[in-house]
Amino acid sequence: GQQLNQSPQSMFIQEGEDVSMNCTSSSIFNTWLWYKQDPGEGPVLLIALYKAGELTSNGRLTAQFGITRKDSFLNISASIPSDVGIYFCAGPTSGNTPLVFGKGTRLSVIA
Amino acid sequence: EPEVTQTPSHQVTQMGQEVILRCVPISNHLYFYWYRQILGQKVEFLVSFYNNEISEKSEIFDDQFSVERPDGSNFTLKIRSTKLEDSAMYFCASSERVYQPQHFGDGTRLSIL
Repeated sequence: GQQLNQSPQSMFIQEGEDVSMNCTSSSIFNTWLWYKQDPGEGPVLLIALYKAGELTSNGRLTAQFGITRKDSFLNISASIPSDVGIYFCAGPTSGNTPLVFGKGTRLSVIA
Repeated sequence: EPEVTQTPSHQVTQMGQEVILRCVPISNHLYFYWYRQILGQKVEFLVSFYNNEISEKSEIFDDQFSVERPDGSNFTLKIRSTKLEDSAMYFCASSERVYQPQHFGDGTRLSIL
């Protein structure tokens, strides 16, 4: 089945630093979604991308839908302690609705 | 902002018992989903539901699982005879249309003893 590979698996950064994480797939996705999950809570949608090459921002977050439709990245600028959490990329499988998730990137911010 | 709500937040059940997890999707959403997340692992799709019937289901969603929309607001997941390996976080999600982003609840932590 379709799989999403996220890197890095985890990262420790200083408060104020910029962060970049990415997500790749061996197959094409028509939509890329980025979610954040805090401990004990459900995934919260951050950004949705629908077109190849699309670059979308949500506050300090910026995400891009790769031209090949097989990858996406998420950038966080000027990180703050509340950015701590697990960031998941996800996309609908084969054009249908069930989402397949990556394994996540765990972000830790050191104040 | 409207949100998906799930109850209970934590359910502890003896192996072999039936359990029902409840969800109230966002009110104008038409597509409903259940996912699960085993501790430390990624989120996995279980089932999608539209127009009072199952649209798709994964291999995980075997005969022990069922879903129901008993009224206009609730969406439930029933596990008929729980197993130890059913211990996980179960997330309900909903979307307005089929290709719209899915919004998740905070989950029910199911612990099977």
